[in-house]
Amino acid sequence: EIVLTQSPATLSLSPGERATLSCRASQSVGIYLAWYQQKPGQAPRLLIYDASNRATGIPARFSGSGSGTDLTLTISSLEPEDFAVYFCQQRSSWPWTFGQGTKVEIK
Amino acid sequence: EVQLVESGGGLVQPGGSLRLSCAASGFTFSSYAMNWVRQAPGKGLEWVSVISADGGSTNYADSVKGRFTIFRDNSMNTLYLRVSSLRADDTAIFYCAKGLFTSRWGDYFDYWGQGTLVTVSS
Repeated sequence: EIVLTQSPATLSLSPGERATLSCRASQSVGIYLAWYQQKPGQAPRLLIYDASNRATGIPARFSGSGSGTDLTLTISSLEPEDFAVYFCQQRSSWPWTFGQGTKVEIK
Repeated sequence: EVQLVESGGGLVQPGGSLRLSCAASGFTFSSYAMNWVRQAPGKGLEWVSVISADGGSTNYADSVKGRFTIFRDNSMNTLYLRVSSLRADDTAIFYCAKGLFTSRWGDYFDYWGQGTLVTVSS
């Protein structure tokens, strides 16, 4: 099973700042990785798929990059609604797995 | 508008069973793979199972293999998960999630329901 390790566990930033979230895989996932955002009491929302493709309706401030074992989600300028937990997920091999999440909190 | 509405969760004793349902609308249900993903209280996400668009192929996480069964009724636009031999560590919110692509497995999850809570306790 591919283990996804997200870092940092918590990111404390102010609105307008840039957020950089990391997802490291225990073996190569190629580009087969997605990012999701989850707010308290809500279901996750797909942000990015295949490492760098924004899902429908996702603002351009969200971008994904990387391949292989090191992938990154960048939020270029944090909006108040972006403070949430972010998960990565791989579909390179069974079973599909998620990272443990990064919480982006207001500093 | 895509909508996924889960039901069927509740309190069940260890060793018990439940049938979870997910009613889908707003898209051509029979064209997409569907999934169950769960989240233990305050924890991360765990993919549980997927079923292909035609229902002919399924896959499961090792943690539920042999205990959970995914199936679908395309005439009723409904996804199901039969959960049995439940254990305390199965306690979680169970989400149904639509596959992003019209490929065999969908691969990512672009729409999610609000979830149904399964609590396993004596």
